[in-house]
Amino acid sequence: DTGVSQDPRHKITKRGQNVTFRCDPISEHNRLYWYRQTLGQGPEFLTYFQNEAQLEKSRLLSDRFSAERPKGSFSTLEIQRTEQGDSAMYLCASSHIPGQGVDGTDTQYFGPGTRLTVL
Amino acid sequence: AQSVTQLGSHVSVSEGALVLLRCNYSSSVPPYLFWYVQYPNQGLQLLLKYTSAATLVKGINGFEAEFKKSETSFHLTKPSAHMSDAAEYFCAVSDSGRRALTFGSGTRLQVQP
Repeated sequence: DTGVSQDPRHKITKRGQNVTFRCDPISEHNRLYWYRQTLGQGPEFLTYFQNEAQLEKSRLLSDRFSAERPKGSFSTLEIQRTEQGDSAMYLCASSHIPGQGVDGTDTQYFGPGTRLTVL
Repeated sequence: AQSVTQLGSHVSVSEGALVLLRCNYSSSVPPYLFWYVQYPNQGLQLLLKYTSAATLVKGINGFEAEFKKSETSFHLTKPSAHMSDAAEYFCAVSDSGRRALTFGSGTRLQVQP
């Protein structure tokens, strides 16, 4: 079990540029989540996938944001036309759907995050 | 809608003293509750979770939390603080109807020698 990995760990970009982040979940985890964390705050939910289907999107996910999870494995989060307000830590988490008869909650395991700075 | 309130953005204790980090939640359905710890420039690590099996939950690193429905609380405690416990702690809630976690704003724990 290698854990959730994210790439890059740090990204500095200029306002107006596009950026893309990658998340590799724990092997065989079928749910994948994206969160955003700004300085001094707790993470805020952006979106989640079950296998390749994007099942929920937060109002925080504006039209400039798009996430994909082709083939239900890794996921990418793209931000177009970045703004200074997009500067944050972007966290990815993965989980495994509990089996039948098991307590009905999944535990989310987080990656180290990608810190985005928009100049 | 779910929400989490963490009282005290900063808590300072002496090494060896009791750690108490407070968390109150709001949920319209039976909640699942979590405590995560975050060290500088790292992701979140799960400390423990409440899933209705037992009201007193034991986690890693000597931490435990007690679910009190009447008080809508899920406070985190540790009998004796270590220097290595210095970090940011987040309480989070979810429910069976919504998978996403709703986090509190966090409590930064300082441990004084």
